[in-house]
Amino acid sequence: NAGVTQTPKFQVLKTGQSMTLQCAQDMNHEYMSWYRQDPGMGLRLIHYSVGAGITDQGEVPNGYNVSRSTTEDFPLRLLSAAPSQTSVYFCASSSRGPDTQYFGPGTRLTVL
Amino acid sequence: GQSLEQPSEVTAVEGAIVQINCTYQTSGFYGLSWYQQHDGGAPTFLSYNALDGLEETGRFSSFLSRSDSYGYLLLQELQMKDSASYFCAVPHTGGFKTIFGAGTRLFVKA
Repeated sequence: NAGVTQTPKFQVLKTGQSMTLQCAQDMNHEYMSWYRQDPGMGLRLIHYSVGAGITDQGEVPNGYNVSRSTTEDFPLRLLSAAPSQTSVYFCASSSRGPDTQYFGPGTRLTVL
Repeated sequence: GQSLEQPSEVTAVEGAIVQINCTYQTSGFYGLSWYQQHDGGAPTFLSYNALDGLEETGRFSSFLSRSDSYGYLLLQELQMKDSASYFCAVPHTGGFKTIFGAGTRLFVKA
């Protein structure tokens, strides 16, 4: 099993550009989530999904969209990138819920 | 609202025992999780306590007291590779969302 995979690993965007961060898992987990982590801080929940076709907002959803068309994939879309979105983004999945999550390697995003 | 508090830094000597505390305030309690994160890496799940008491997994143990809204992670026989950040986390809002603490950076010295 590859576990949770994320692409790309690094990305530089200009203000106003849009892009999609990809996340996939091969563990047949129903629960998936996106977090952002800023320097010296914990993780903050952006969006989550409890199964295909079901998504909901976390603490910091503004500026981001998600979709869950399959169990395996949970892409995160930045609508119009802003410097405040410079961060490390982690995708995670779980078979139980948010208490036991397995994280992907992260995407390091810089918005200029 | 939801909040977690944990110390920002802890330093310990190789071979020693260290305890990292976490106090929480949440609307509805579902359990307390712990994650480890090395610099530049992804968080890795360590343990989850839903009930009061001690859970042991090798050199790591995690404790929960729901009446005190408090838990801790205990690391024994510290090794240099244990130098990392440790985060406590609690699910809330129906158990579908998670809030993470700001993390405790553990430095293990020779």
